[in-house]
Amino acid sequence: QQQVKQSPQSLIVQKGGISIINCAYENTAFDYFPWYQQFPGKGPALLIAIRPDVSEKKEGRFTISFNKSAKQFSLHIMDSQPGDSATYFCAASRSAGKSTFGDGTTLTVKP
Amino acid sequence: DAGVIQSPRHEVTEMGQEVTLRCKPISGHDYLFWYRQTMMRGLELLIYFNNNVPIDDSGMPEDRFSAKMPNASFSTLKIQPSEPRDSAVYFCASSSAGWGYTFGSGTRLTVV
Repeated sequence: QQQVKQSPQSLIVQKGGISIINCAYENTAFDYFPWYQQFPGKGPALLIAIRPDVSEKKEGRFTISFNKSAKQFSLHIMDSQPGDSATYFCAASRSAGKSTFGDGTTLTVKP
Repeated sequence: DAGVIQSPRHEVTEMGQEVTLRCKPISGHDYLFWYRQTMMRGLELLIYFNNNVPIDDSGMPEDRFSAKMPNASFSTLKIQPSEPRDSAVYFCASSSAGWGYTFGSGTRLTVV
C-alpha cells in the first residue's frame, strides 16, 4: 500500500520560476516530513524537514508547506536555478524507525 | 565526520557469484538502513537496524539476501548467489531517532 503519494512525476520550470512538488500521506501517526534532493550518481541528501506542529518552514529558497487536516505537504522552490535540477523525494516517518518515501519528482530548470 | 561510507562504489560480478556490500554509518547514529534504487521500483527499503539489531527485514527480496550489523560502526549486505535482476544502486543510510537520514554515495551493482 502506497502510503506517500508524490506528484508530479516530472516538472520543467524556467529559471527564476517557482517549482512546486506535492505529497499526500495516509498514516496520521507520521510526525516527521523530510524532503531529499538527489543528483545523478549521488545518494539522496536531506534538504529540509518539518514536523506537524508548524504549517510552514522556510530555509533560503526552499519552503515546506504543511496541511495537517488534508494530510498533505509540499515543497516550494523559489527563484529556481539550473543547479536545482535534480530528483526530489518527499518522505514521512514516525518519531523512530523507517521513513516511507514518495516515488520522486525529476525537476528540470531551464536557463 | 566523513558521512556514511559505502564500499565498493562500483561492483561488476558474474551471475551466481557472492557479492558483499559494506557500510560505515555516522558515529552516534542508532539507525541503519539499506535501500535499493532502480528506475522501475524507485527507492526500496530492504532492511533496517536499531542499535545493531535487525528490526524489519520484510523488504529483503528473498533468501539470497542477508544483512548483518556486528557492531555500531559496520554493516554488510550480502547477495548469494547474485542474479542479473539484482543489478541496482544500493544505498546505506543512517540516522538518529526522529531525524532525517544521511545517505552514503551508494554501490552500483551490475550482475552480468
